[in-house]
Amino acid sequence: NAGVTQTPKFQVLKTGQSMTLQCAQDMNHEYMSWYRQDPGMGLRLIHYSVGAGITDQGEVPNGYNVSRSTTEDFPLRLLSAAPSQTSVYFCASSYAGRYGYTFGSGTRLTVV
Amino acid sequence: KNEVEQSPQNLTAQEGEFITINCSYSVGISALHWLQQHPGGGIVSLFMLSSGKKKHGRLIATINIQEKHSSLHITASHPRDSAVYICAVLPQAWTSGSRLTFGEGTQLTVNP
Repeated sequence: NAGVTQTPKFQVLKTGQSMTLQCAQDMNHEYMSWYRQDPGMGLRLIHYSVGAGITDQGEVPNGYNVSRSTTEDFPLRLLSAAPSQTSVYFCASSYAGRYGYTFGSGTRLTVV
Repeated sequence: KNEVEQSPQNLTAQEGEFITINCSYSVGISALHWLQQHPGGGIVSLFMLSSGKKKHGRLIATINIQEKHSSLHITASHPRDSAVYICAVLPQAWTSGSRLTFGEGTQLTVNP
């Protein structure tokens, strides 16, 4: 099983550029979510989805868009990258909140 | 004040020592997760608890719901246990598993 596949692993963007971070899972999990990890702040929720066609904002949604057209995929879009979005991004999925989470391997994004 | 507080922030131990990492939280929860993040960055789910105690190999996790406190113990620690250990809670207000709140993590270093 591939689990949660997250791409790319590394990315450097110029301010104002756009890009999409890809996340796919093959476990038929309902719940998918995006987090960013910054030094001294722990993981913070950006957006999440409880099923295909349903998304909602997390703690730090500004500057990011998501969609969930299928159960498997949950891409995160940066429309106009800013240096404040330099971070490590993780995608995670879960069958339900009372079960374990599976995390992607992370994307290290630098915006210059 | 964060909803989830971990202590200590950093911990250095000698191989073979018994290790305890603590997690305190301020909200009612329906579940608590312990995660492990290795130097390469990947995050692995270790335990999900809603009451009592769980054991897996040399790892033991306990939770006291009344005291809003959980501990992660490592017996006979080994250098390969060196990682960041993260506590995360699912508040009772959320039925969706995607609303985890994370502690900042405990950096554990085990020296040979």
